This record gives sequence, C-alpha cells and structure tokens, in this order.
Amino acid sequence: NAGVTQTPKFQVLKTGQSMTLQCAQDMNHEYMSWYRQDPGMGLRLIHYSVGAGITDQGEVPNGYNVSRSTTEDFPLRLLSAAPSQTSVYFCASSSPGDNYGYTFGSGTRLTVV
Amino acid sequence: AQTVTQSQPEMSVQEAETVTLSCTYDTSESDYYLFWYKQPPSRQMILVIRQEAYKQQNATENRFSVNFQKAAKSFSLKISDSQLGDAAMYFCAYRSPPGSQGNLIFGKGTKLSVKP
Repeated sequence: NAGVTQTPKFQVLKTGQSMTLQCAQDMNHEYMSWYRQDPGMGLRLIHYSVGAGITDQGEVPNGYNVSRSTTEDFPLRLLSAAPSQTSVYFCASSSPGDNYGYTFGSGTRLTVV
Repeated sequence: AQTVTQSQPEMSVQEAETVTLSCTYDTSESDYYLFWYKQPPSRQMILVIRQEAYKQQNATENRFSVNFQKAAKSFSLKISDSQLGDAAMYFCAYRSPPGSQGNLIFGKGTKLSVKP
C-alpha cells in the first residue's frame, strides 16, 4: 500500500498565484485532514473531512479551500497565495479501525515569494 | 477547547542513556487518545506510541514507553538506550474520542539531540 501520497513535495509560488496541493490515500480511511507546520508552532489544523462530501474548518482556514468528492482524495487549494502561507503542509488520514492513529503524507514545502 | 503543552523546546541526551520528554494536556473529556510522533530531518511524521485514556496500563513499544497520569493530565515519553537515530523533533498529540470530529491537537514539539 502507498499510504498517503502528497504532491508536489516542493513548490515556489509568486504572491497572488493559486495552486492545489494534492492528497490521496489508498487505505479507505474516513477521516482526512490538512495541517500546516511552522517553526515553533507545531502542526495546526487547516481543514478536515469525516467522509466524502463533508468538510469543515480547522484552526487556521483562511486563504484555503477544500473539497472531498471521493473517499480517496482531499485536495487543498490556495486561492491567492500570500507570503504568510509559506509553510510545510501535511495531509493525514485515519480510521476507527486503526485505533485512531493518523497516517501522514511526506509533506509539501511551499514557499511564497 | 483541548490544549497540549510541551514545556521543553530542546533536550539533549548521551547515546545509550535514558531521556524523558514531558507533555501535559487540558481536556474536560474522560475518553480520548494520546500520541507521540517523531519527525526526523526527512520531515516524515512517524507514530511512535499511542495511549488510550481508558487503559490504566502504560503503553510500551520496544525502547519507548510512556508515563500516563490521567488525573494530572500528563503524558511523558521515555526513551531508553538512546540511539543516534532517535535525534528528531517529537510531538505530543491529543485526539478526542470516537463520535467527535476526532482531529489531532499537537504540542509545539521538543527537539531531541543525541550526543555520541
């Protein structure tokens, strides 16, 4: 199994550009989440989903959109990139059958200039 | 709202020695999950150990064990026989029980250095 796959691994954007970070999991997990990691801040929740067609906001949702049309995919969209969105982004998935431990993707390092 | 606090931004340990990383949390729930994740320089988040709050027995995974004090809301990680490969950021995380939104809430992390 591939687990949680995130693409791209690195990205540089100009201020105002838009892009989509891709996340796919092949474990049939119901729960999927997006986190951002900034130095000294730990990981903070951006958006999450408890199943296909259901999404909700986390702690830091501004400037990001998500959708969940399938169980497998949970893309994160940056609408108009800002330097404050420079960060490392992690996608994660989980299932009750996995004792609620989350499996993480390898992360995307995004730089907005 | 639940919070997780890791009071040690950095720790250092001699190879083969034992080190304990601290974590406290705040919650009004009686049932929940606690985790320790390791993040090496590769930035991959690796699950080290988990603890279900309803279990009184402390979890262990090889050289890793926890001291779970539910009344004190404390969840420390002990690494025995430290190895160079243990050098990493360690994050403590809390998760609400089944039936809730169930997202992970992280502490800010502890950077562990291992000296040869």
